Amino acid sequence: AAGVIQSPRHLIKEKRETATLKCYPIPRHDTVYWYQQGPGQDPQFLISFYEKMQSDKGSIPDRFSAQQFSDYHSELNMSSLELGDSALYFCASSSSRVRGSADTQYFGPGTRLTVL
Amino acid sequence: AQKVTQAQTEISVVEKEDVTLDCVYETRDTTYYLFWYKQPPSGELVFLIRRNSFDEQNEISGRYSWNFQKSTSSFNFTITASQVVDSAVYFCALSERGGGGADGLTFGKGTHLIIQP
Repeated sequence: AAGVIQSPRHLIKEKRETATLKCYPIPRHDTVYWYQQGPGQDPQFLISFYEKMQSDKGSIPDRFSAQQFSDYHSELNMSSLELGDSALYFCASSSSRVRGSADTQYFGPGTRLTVL
Repeated sequence: AQKVTQAQTEISVVEKEDVTLDCVYETRDTTYYLFWYKQPPSGELVFLIRRNSFDEQNEISGRYSWNFQKSTSSFNFTITASQVVDSAVYFCALSERGGGGADGLTFGKGTHLIIQP
C-alpha cells in the first residue's frame, strides 16, 4: 500500500539559511500534520491542515510556515535556521472519510535536517 | 491540558519474556483517541493501534495486546513471547476531539524496549 512520501530524506543547511520540506500524503487522505522530533525526544506537533485550510496549531516557531496545496501535498518552510532546528521532521496524513479510522495518523519516513 | 505519561524510560528483557509498557493519560475531553506507535532504530513511526474513549474493549493482535481502563486513565501495551525484532522505542499518544478539527497528537516520552537474545 502507498505510504506518506517525504522529500528530501536528508538535508544539511547553514545557520540563517532557509529550507523547504515536502510531504505527499497517502492517496485520498485529506489531512496533513507536521511534527518535529529532536534527538532522544518525543515528536512535537507543529501544525495541521484539512482540505487545504490550517486546522490545528502546535508549537510551531514564527520562523516556520506551512501550507497544503490543491493536490493535498504540503510544504513546511523554515527560515533563519538555527542550530536548535536540527531534528527529524515527520509528516503524517489521515482521512476524515474512512469509516472507523478517521484521525488515525500515518507517518512518513521523516526528513532529517541538520543545521551547521 | 492533555498529557501522556510513560513512566518507564527503558525496559530490557530476554527474548520470549512477556513485557508490559505502561501509559497513563490526562484529558478534560470526554471524547478522545489513544494510540500506540513503534519507532524502530531505522527511525520511522509505525502505527500499531487506535482506541476511542467510548470503547473500552481490550484488543489482541497476535503477540500484542492492549488494556484500556478509563477508571485509571491507562492504556497499557503487552507483548507476549517477545522477539528481538520488537526492540524499539514505543510511544503512547493522545488526540482530543474537542476542537473538532485535525488535532495534533500529544506523545508520551516513549519507552525504549530492548529485547536481548
